[in-house]
Amino acid sequence: EAGVAQSPRYKIIEKRQSVAFWCNPISGHATLYWYQQILGQGPKLLIQFQNNGVVDDSQLPKDRFSAERLKGVDSTLKIQPAKLEDSAVYLCASSLGQGNEQFFGPGTRLTVL
Amino acid sequence: QQQVKQSPQSLIVQKGGISIINCAYENTAFDYFPWYQQFPGKGPALLIAIRPDVSEKKEGRFTISFNKSAKQFSLHIMDSQPGDSATYFCAASINSGYALNFGKGTSLLVTP
Repeated sequence: EAGVAQSPRYKIIEKRQSVAFWCNPISGHATLYWYQQILGQGPKLLIQFQNNGVVDDSQLPKDRFSAERLKGVDSTLKIQPAKLEDSAVYLCASSLGQGNEQFFGPGTRLTVL
Repeated sequence: QQQVKQSPQSLIVQKGGISIINCAYENTAFDYFPWYQQFPGKGPALLIAIRPDVSEKKEGRFTISFNKSAKQFSLHIMDSQPGDSATYFCAASINSGYALNFGKGTSLLVTP
């Protein structure tokens, strides 16, 4: 079974630039999560989707971050404009549904200069 | 505010020894407590999880001990191996399908 796919794996940008990350969850998984993992810390949830609807985005900095999950499958996370403190690994996870195990992708490492 | 506090930050254990990582939480609504293992360049992977209706769960060399009254839980790795060297995260959530609140992680090094 293929795992959660993410791209790109690495991205380096300058502050105030824009960046987008892509996630393809495990086939059939209805729930999708985006986490931010700053170096030396545990992942922090940014947004959770159930199919193509948002379940929880309370910790998403909505002035600069946006996410969508069109057609309830793939998802994109965008940062515009980026700040230095956005440097982190952005992890995508998926689960069959709420109440099921979350499977994580390898993450996208973002460096903002 | 960190909802799950994890210690120690780093741990060095000799091969064959026991690795112990501790976590504490405040939110009594949490009812799902997983442990994740993360290797460099990889996403976290579920290792073992427990719900508060049991005090201990064992899977192979990995055991979770859970103390509901103290709001603490711990991971014990028996017969630690160099391949166990990784970062371990405890987490807690209200039901397994909701947002996981992670600890800050413990970097484990098992020496030959």
